[in-house]
Amino acid sequence: EDQVTQSPEALRLQEGESSSLNCSYTVSGLRGLFWYRQDPGKGPEFLFTLYSAGEEKEKERLKATLTKKESFLHITAPKPEDSATYLCAVRGSNDYKLSFGAGTTVTVRA
Amino acid sequence: DAGVTQSPTHLIKTRGQHVTLRCSPISGHKSVSWYQQVLGQGPQFIFQYYEKEERGRGNFPDRFSARQFPNYSSELNVNALLLGDSALYLCASSQQGDVAEPQHFGDGTRLSIL
Repeated sequence: EDQVTQSPEALRLQEGESSSLNCSYTVSGLRGLFWYRQDPGKGPEFLFTLYSAGEEKEKERLKATLTKKESFLHITAPKPEDSATYLCAVRGSNDYKLSFGAGTTVTVRA
Repeated sequence: DAGVTQSPTHLIKTRGQHVTLRCSPISGHKSVSWYQQVLGQGPQFIFQYYEKEERGRGNFPDRFSARQFPNYSSELNVNALLLGDSALYLCASSQQGDVAEPQHFGDGTRLSIL
């Protein structure tokens, strides 16, 4: 069964203090690793898809990277509006479901 | 363009009742998936539908059922509600339901069981 573990559970940052979130996964035949952002009371918002080890994607202050066992979401010079829960999910071969981790809640103080 | 829309946004039920949740996918999307999210956890997969056919089912009891209509909208039904069914129910859509496609989520229905 697919397993996704995210760490840390919570991260408190000062504005401008860069950091990284970790997503470790076990899946049979990775078909995609997905990062989402979720604000309180809202549904997950799609950020990135990574398909193979070595791949990187960037969007504003966020950069996602992928290895064969884990993915990192780097937040560079974060702002208070980057405060949210970041979710990681994987999809395996012939598996239509997304398997999610529990998320990392990021709080950025001004 | 409108995103995934879900109704109602909030719902309060009592134990033993049944509930129907509704979802309209993004225009042009033919696949709909349902997830349950308990506070402090990531979403858990319930069902996926594509072209009105069930493609996948998660580890949920038979009290949970769903269907997809010809216009690609979907309903999730839960019978004999239990306190443990209290959660945020999320609907997600994608164009073809392909395993490599990202799924786009609505803001969910918050279901509270008293």
